[in-house]
Formats: sequence, C-alpha cells, structure tokens
Amino acid sequence: DAGVIQSPRHEVTEMGQEVTLRCKPISGHDYLFWYRQTMMRGLELLIYFNNNVPIDDSGMPEDRFSAKMPNASFSTLKIQPSEPRDSAVYFCASSPPGGQGWVEQFFGPGTRLTVL
Amino acid sequence: AQSVSQHNHHVILSEAASLELGCNYSYGGTVNLFWYVQYPGQHLQLLLKYFSGDPLVKGIKGFEAEFIKSKFSFNLRKPSVQWSDTAEYFCAVNAKGRRALTFGSGTRLQVQP
Repeated sequence: DAGVIQSPRHEVTEMGQEVTLRCKPISGHDYLFWYRQTMMRGLELLIYFNNNVPIDDSGMPEDRFSAKMPNASFSTLKIQPSEPRDSAVYFCASSPPGGQGWVEQFFGPGTRLTVL
Repeated sequence: AQSVSQHNHHVILSEAASLELGCNYSYGGTVNLFWYVQYPGQHLQLLLKYFSGDPLVKGIKGFEAEFIKSKFSFNLRKPSVQWSDTAEYFCAVNAKGRRALTFGSGTRLQVQP
C-alpha cells in the first residue's frame, strides 16, 4: 500500500499565482480530509469529503480556496490568487468506511507551500 | 465547538526520563481521542486512540494515555524516553459520529542523548 500520495511536495510561487495541490487517498477509503499546518494556527481542518461529496467546508478560509474530488482516487485544493499568508504545509488524509468517528486518519507527507 | 489544549509547547528531556504530555479538551458530549506523532520530516502517524472501554490505552513504541472524563484530559505518557522519540506530538478529538478531527497546537519533544 502506497499510502496517501500528495503532489507536489514543495511549491514555491509568487503572490497572485494560482496554486493546485493534489491528493490521492488510499484505495478503498471513502473519507478525504484537507488540513493546513502553520506555526500560528497549528493544524486546522479545511474541508472534508465523504464518497466524493464535500461534507464540511467551514474551515476553508475564504473564496480564494476551493477543493474538489471528481472521483474516489483524486482530490485537488486550489488557491487562486495565492497570498503570502497562505504559506503553510497542507496535509491530505484519508480514512476507511465504518466506525463512529474513531477510525484512524492516514496522513500524506504534505505539500510545503511558499508564496513569495 | 470543540477545542483542544496542549499546555506544553516544548519539552526537553534526557534519555531514560519519564514523559507526560498534557492534553485537555473542551466538548460537552462523547468524544473519541487520539494522539498523533510527527517525526522530523515525516507525516503524522497515529500513536494511540481511545473511543470506549478501558480508559488506559496503550499505543505503539511504549506510549500510553489515560482518559479521565471528569478532568476532560487525555495525557500521554512513556516511562522511559529514547532519543528516537524526538518529534512533535499532537492530541486530537472528534465528537462521536463525526469524522473531522480538532487538533491541539502540538508539543515539540526533544530528547537529548
């Protein structure tokens, strides 16, 4: 099992540019989560999907951020336009079906985004 | 809304010392509790979790945690730390039936040989 795959691992871009982060969850997992990690705010949930449908996007900071999950094996997080304050590590996680919320989330290696 | 507090932001210990990292949560209902670890340069991994039953749970690498409902706490312990335990430790909680996790701010543990 390859685990959760994220790309790119590092992204450096200039303010105003569009950034797209990608995630491939573990096969068979039906939940997918996007988190952001910063020094100031720690790890915070941005959005999560169940069976490709967004369930809770209340953590998405503003309209510049959007996330999609067109199929069970792929999700994107897009920032347009990007700003320096978006610099952070973005983690994707997935978890299998079943349980009452106590099911483990498996995290990807993260994408370190730097916006100049 | 749920919240999680980790009071120790940075802990420095010598090898073989005992470890206890504090975690308190704020939520009125039933919760599931987790400790995740992030080794330098790596992604988050689950150390242990509690969802019901024995409030003392054992995880990987000799870690354990005790859920004290009356104190809303889920402290992480290890009797004797090793240099390889140097990492950042995150406490997390979700409400029963919910999948989204709320994380604490993390505790950076540095173990000196």
